[in-house]
Amino acid sequence: SQKIEQNSEALNIQEGKTATLTCNYTNYSPAYLQWYRQDPGRGPVFLLLIRENEKEKRKERLKVTFDTTLKQSLFHITASQPADSATYLCALNQGGKLIFGQGTELSVKP
Amino acid sequence: GAGVSQSPRYKVAKRGQDVALRCDPISGHVSLFWYQQALGQGPEFLTYFQNEAQLDKSGLPSDRFFAERPEGSVSTLKIQRTQQEDSAVYLCASSLRGGDRVYTEAFFGQGTRLTVV
Repeated sequence: SQKIEQNSEALNIQEGKTATLTCNYTNYSPAYLQWYRQDPGRGPVFLLLIRENEKEKRKERLKVTFDTTLKQSLFHITASQPADSATYLCALNQGGKLIFGQGTELSVKP
Repeated sequence: GAGVSQSPRYKVAKRGQDVALRCDPISGHVSLFWYQQALGQGPEFLTYFQNEAQLDKSGLPSDRFFAERPEGSVSTLKIQRTQQEDSAVYLCASSLRGGDRVYTEAFFGQGTRLTVV
């Protein structure tokens, strides 16, 4: 069956450290993968998109990798700040629609 | 408006009541999506429109759920004879383009929190 799995447990890190979140998928062949941030009571907000032929994408303190052989994406936040605390969702496209993982809650402590 | 707008923000329905949730996408956006999100879970796909055409409704949980986008802009998600398991946040998203291999981000509304009592 098709599945998207993210770190199931919340991730707690110290301010200034690098947070690494994982997204694994099975039985999909996505043309691209996206990462979103969701704060409580709000809708998800787009962060980064990476295409199947790209290995890595960066935007400010964010970095995403995409390994279509391993069927995995890693999402890194460097020099993390308390304001980065949120739930992070990976999503991949299938037939024109976005399918989401369950999300990983990140907490950055000062 | 500048973003995706959903109304109402909160809805309390008695079991068995019909509800209608509205989504105003970003003007000019071709694709519109509806998702259901339970507490602590990721958004679950319900249905997808490209302009006024409903291309995929495979995620609708039962025939009590119905969505429409008659003029390719505003969309309504209707739930008939609501049940307690329908309680969730319903998210609407729009994107500029559509298609399987078209690289485009989705813009989400704040959602409608439905509570069935």
